[in-house]
Amino acid sequence: GAVVSQHPSWVICKSGTSVKIECRSLDFQATTMFWYRQFPKQSLMLMATSNEGSKATYEQGVEKDKFLINHASLTLSTLTVTSAHPEDSSFYICSGLSSGSNYEQYFGPGTRLTVT
Amino acid sequence: GDSVTQMEGPVTLSEEAFLTINCTYTATGYPSLFWYVQYPGEGLQLLLKATKADDKGSNKGFEATYRKETTSFHLEKGSVQVSDSAVYFCALSDYNQGGKLIFGQGTELSVKP
Repeated sequence: GAVVSQHPSWVICKSGTSVKIECRSLDFQATTMFWYRQFPKQSLMLMATSNEGSKATYEQGVEKDKFLINHASLTLSTLTVTSAHPEDSSFYICSGLSSGSNYEQYFGPGTRLTVT
Repeated sequence: GDSVTQMEGPVTLSEEAFLTINCTYTATGYPSLFWYVQYPGEGLQLLLKATKADDKGSNKGFEATYRKETTSFHLEKGSVQVSDSAVYFCALSDYNQGGKLIFGQGTELSVKP
């Protein structure tokens, strides 16, 4: 199956700093990538939809100025958490949408962000 | 809007027991339905899917049938193993919404030897 990687797998940062998370589709082109947030013992919450070469579409309640998404190529999308605060601590998961296979999404392994 | 509801966990079973995890959905269109599994410390993996009514998805002994009349997609396995311990997510995707996945809340399964 198609592979999506995320980097870093975990990161600890201080409050007020910014953190960038990379999401790469390794063996397919993802014209669309999704970013999710998952709290402990909870489901995935879609944060935004990212289309290559255009601005991301954010879900209601997600601050676009805080969670900056860039999708500069068909294999790379980045999520930058700006001025991070402890409440931003979470598990962030990306997925790439394959245009074949009935539009199946392939998920990255996730990035654990802890803000101290 | 579209939504997915799963039975609450955690579900604890003994090895070789029969598993059912209920999933129902509401959707305005004709969605595709999915079951994803998340093993401890790992990302989501697609377990099975069904793209239209009466389709049965199956994989690794798990199966689920797309029931339009009851708007359900229950996950079943005849004999669970300890290695099946994980969190299971039911989800739907509507092509008309750009492939966005809407997830249920997840059901944690723990299988004891």
